[in-house]
Amino acid sequence: DGGITQSPKYLFRKEGQNVTLSCEQNLNHDAMYWYRQDPGQGLRLIYYSQIVNDFQKGDIAEGYSVSREKKESFPLTVTSAQKNPTAFYLCASSIQAGGRYEQYFGPGTRLTVT
Amino acid sequence: AQSVTQPDIHITVSEGASLELRCNYSYGATPYLFWYVQSPGQGLQLLLKYFSGDTLVQGIKGFEAEFKRSQSSFNLRKPSVHWSDAAEYFCAVGFTGGGNKLTFGTGTQLKVEL
Repeated sequence: DGGITQSPKYLFRKEGQNVTLSCEQNLNHDAMYWYRQDPGQGLRLIYYSQIVNDFQKGDIAEGYSVSREKKESFPLTVTSAQKNPTAFYLCASSIQAGGRYEQYFGPGTRLTVT
Repeated sequence: AQSVTQPDIHITVSEGASLELRCNYSYGATPYLFWYVQSPGQGLQLLLKYFSGDTLVQGIKGFEAEFKRSQSSFNLRKPSVHWSDAAEYFCAVGFTGGGNKLTFGTGTQLKVEL
């Protein structure tokens, strides 16, 4: 079965610690995305990658970092610089980057920082 | 900048009743339009999409949507709602030349009364 996996589903961290969220896809998609979801705010784009070894900032990139060393993987690191990191994080992919391509989503990771 | 508005934050309908969820977008170019559904604590699933051609598009789970260029709208409809349709619904829009991303609305939470 092709799809996107995110792990873990729930993640707890202490304030001041960096944490890395995993995202893997076996859809052979070139583009991958990270979104943050907060109640009442919809989805906000953190970073996206059009191709391996390339990525661009989205609308709310401050306090986050990413890497794209393999086509299948696009991990997101939430750094201690992110002022309000508790949220639901969604990873997505599409065949190519661009507004005409539907995105396929993973099941999400809920991060709680205390 | 492109934007998407879903004016209804919450909607409650009775099982068996018809449903219409509103979505309006703003931008001058030809849009690519999507509707996604999200169950609690899950990722987003694509219901349907519009790229061009027939302005009435059919999707999964008995949903349909109509693109009205004159009103900049892409409303989602279902003739008879089932209790399992209770979820959050997101409209998204992409544009040619609008950057490599989709812009999501803030979502409409659907409650179905039995």
